[in-house]
Amino acid sequence: TQLLEQSPQFLSIQEGENLTVYCNSSSVFSSLQWYRQEPGEGPVLLVTVVTGGEVKKLKRLTFQFGDARKDSSLHITAAQPGDTGLYLCAGARNYQLIWGAGTKLIIKP
Amino acid sequence: EAQVTQNPRYLITVTGKKLTVTCSQNMNHEYMSWYRQDPGLGLRQIYYSMNVEVTDKGDVPEGYKVSRKEKRNFPLILESPSPNQTSLYFCASSPIAGVKNIQYFGAGTRLSVL
Repeated sequence: TQLLEQSPQFLSIQEGENLTVYCNSSSVFSSLQWYRQEPGEGPVLLVTVVTGGEVKKLKRLTFQFGDARKDSSLHITAAQPGDTGLYLCAGARNYQLIWGAGTKLIIKP
Repeated sequence: EAQVTQNPRYLITVTGKKLTVTCSQNMNHEYMSWYRQDPGLGLRQIYYSMNVEVTDKGDVPEGYKVSRKEKRNFPLILESPSPNQTSLYFCASSPIAGVKNIQYFGAGTRLSVL
C-alpha cells in the first residue's frame, strides 16, 4: 500500500514550460520533504516544509504544504533541461520517512 | 568532505551466498537507515538505527540483518540472498530522527541475485 501517492509518475515537457508535481496522502505528516535524484546517485534534499500552508521557493521551484499537512506540491516555472531527474516526496511520521514512488521528469531542449 | 560511503557500488551474486554491503558516514550522525529502491515502488525502508546498538525494523526487513556496533558504520547483511532481493540499495544518515529527519544518502549499491 502506497501511503504517499505521487503524480504524475512520468512527465516529459519542452524547455520553458511550467509543471506541477503532486504528493497526496490520507495521513497527516509532521513535515514533508522533497528530494531530487539523478541517475547513479542517491537522492538529495531540496526542501523541507513543516507548517500547514507553508510555501517555500527555491529559484524557479515553488513548494507548498497543504493546510492539513496531508499533501504537497512542487511547481517548476520555465523548466530547463537541468531540471531533469527523479523527484521524490517523503513525509515524516515518528522516526521514519514515508516515501512517494517518484516523478520522473524529462525536460527536452 | 561530509559523505555517506557505500561499498560495493555494484554486486552480482548467486542465490544463498551470504553478502554484506558496508555503509560508513563521517558526519557523526546518530540516525542511519537502509532503503531499497524498486521501479514504481519508490524507496522502502529496510532497517533503521537511532544510535549505537539500537536498531529497528522498517517496512521490508525480511531477509536482511543489520548491526550498529559503531556510530559511523551500519552494514547491511543478506544471510541467504534470493532473486527478489535484486534491487538498488541506499544507505542514509541523519543528524537526528524526528520532524526534520533530513537524510543524506550514499551513492547506492546495485545488487543482482541470480
